[in-house]
This record gives sequence, structure tokens and C-alpha cells, in this order.
Amino acid sequence: GDSVTQMEGPVTLSEEAFLTINCTYTATGYPSLFWYVQYPGEGLQLLLKATKADDKGSNKGFEATYRKETTSFHLEKGSVQVSDSAVYFCALRLYNFNKFYFGSGTKLNVKP
Amino acid sequence: DVKVTQSSRYLVKRTGEKVFLECVQDMDHENMFWYRQDPGLGLRLIYFSYDVKMKEKGDIPEGYSVSREKKERFSLILESASTNQTSMYLCASSGGEIGSGNTIYFGEGSWLTVV
Repeated sequence: GDSVTQMEGPVTLSEEAFLTINCTYTATGYPSLFWYVQYPGEGLQLLLKATKADDKGSNKGFEATYRKETTSFHLEKGSVQVSDSAVYFCALRLYNFNKFYFGSGTKLNVKP
Repeated sequence: DVKVTQSSRYLVKRTGEKVFLECVQDMDHENMFWYRQDPGLGLRLIYFSYDVKMKEKGDIPEGYSVSREKKERFSLILESASTNQTSMYLCASSGGEIGSGNTIYFGEGSWLTVV
């Protein structure tokens, strides 16, 4: 079935380190892919998205490229800050359905 | 900006009580969703609705029902609350043409504790 798998956390980094959070998906058809971020005590906010193969989504220094050949959508940031500490969710939406599928979330801790 | 508003941030209810969680969106979205979020389990879909008075079961509908009498409002009902329903509940909405990659927007969440 359709699903999203992302790396387990927590991920602990020092400030200014490079971040990668892996995300792979299984889907029939042509999904749109998303990364959401959840800060403590809040709901999920859209971080970035890509709607077709080879698209790159970017926002606030975060990037992810839609790789159809490897069915992946890995999240990267060149230099993390303490304020990036949050839980990150990878998600997909199938082309012709209204349902969204979420990964289990990866908690990121950034230490000063 | 899209706004999804959940009426209660924090609730404490007793076992067996009937609980209503209300959600309103202001973007005329067709689709609305209720998820619950638990540590280690991520987001699990309870119910969703793609039109007024329409609803479909998600992955974990047992013990819940929903109501969508108006397009902007989607209510989650716990008919008889139990302690295993203690959780964070997230309402969300989405709209636009299918295939457009339109995103899903979340409310801030409702923390429910059943004692």
C-alpha cells in the first residue's frame, strides 16, 4: 500500500552542522511530496513541497528534491540553528485522492 | 493565510463522558480531516470528509464519529470517552484541484486527557 518511511530519531546535532533526514515513499501513481515541521506544543506547518519528479522544494534554508528513481524526498539543511529543533514529518498526497500519508516523524535536537 | 481553528487546546474529561472537538477552517476547503498523534506512532487518520454531510473512515475510526453540517466546520465526537483516547487531536483541511499538489493545513491541536 501507499506509505512513507522516514528515519527514526532523535537526531542530535550541534549548531551549524549539516542536516539530512531521510524519507522514502511507496505510492501508486504520481504523488506530491511534502515536509512538515512541528514545534513543541503546536500543530504541523508546511515547510516545503514538490509536485513532480526532479522538483526541488525549498524554504528557510531547507531543501528536498523529488527523486522518482529512488522514491525519495530527503530533507537537507546546510547549517542548522537551535531554533530548528522540532519534529519533522514527511508526507505524500496521491494525485487523484484526497488522502495524505505521513511518516512517523523525526525529532531534531540542535545544541548550541 | 489559511486558518484552521480548533475550539479547545486543553481538555480534561471523565471516562464515559461524551466529548466534542470542534474545528473551523476559513478557506472554503472541501476536505477536512481528524488525526490523532501519539508518541512513537506519528499521525493516524481517524476520519475525513470531502464534502458537507460526507464522511469516510480513516485508519482508526473505532470509538469516534464525526459531523460535517457546514462546509467550514468538522466536529469529532467521542461517544463514550476512554482513557486510551487520551491523546493530541489535530484537525486539518485541504482544497483545490486534485493533482494540484495542494497542501494540507493543520490547526494547533487539542490535548485531551481522559481520567
